[in-house]
Amino acid sequence: DIQMTQSPSTLSASVGDTVIITCRASQDVKNWLAWYQQKPGKAPKLLIFKTSNLESGVPSRFSGSGSGTEFTLTITSLQPDDFATYYCQQYNSYSIYTFGPGTKVDMK
Amino acid sequence: EVQMEESGGDLVHPGGSLRLSCVASGFTFSSSWMSWVRQTPGKGLEWVANIKEDGSEKYYVDSVKGRFIISRDNAENSLYLQMNSLRVEDTAVYYCSRTGTKSDFWGQGTLVTVSS
Repeated sequence: DIQMTQSPSTLSASVGDTVIITCRASQDVKNWLAWYQQKPGKAPKLLIFKTSNLESGVPSRFSGSGSGTEFTLTITSLQPDDFATYYCQQYNSYSIYTFGPGTKVDMK
Repeated sequence: EVQMEESGGDLVHPGGSLRLSCVASGFTFSSSWMSWVRQTPGKGLEWVANIKEDGSEKYYVDSVKGRFIISRDNAENSLYLQMNSLRVEDTAVYYCSRTGTKSDFWGQGTLVTVSS
């Protein structure tokens, strides 16, 4: 099975900072990688799909890149609403999906 | 407007059974792969199961294989998760989501607590 790791597990940042979160897969997932934002008590919200495609309605300060086994989520000019936990997810096929363990972005 | 609403979560004893439901509207349910995803309180997300548009293919995470069954009723725009032989470690909020090339629609979740 494909395993996903994320780094860092926690990231302290200030409004206006640029934040980079890394996600690594144990096997090649091609570009089938998504990023989600989750706030306490809420369902995950899709930000990026297929590595770099911005979901409709998501601010352009969010961007994704990578391929194969290494991917990044970048948030430029961090906003107060962006303090949350971020998860990557591989979906190399429709059959088996795997989430990363999450990265919590909190206020410095 | 897309709406997805889960129901059926409850407190159940270890070894017990529970059936979760998810009713969807605002998109073409019968043309969508669907998933169940769970989240243990205070922990991360875990994909549980997927089902193809017509129900002909189903996939499960190893930890629930043989105990959980995902199903759907396209006439009722409904997704189900039959959970048997429940364990304490199945305690979680269970979300339904539209999946496929992206998991773009999610319900708000239903809490399943397995405890003696």
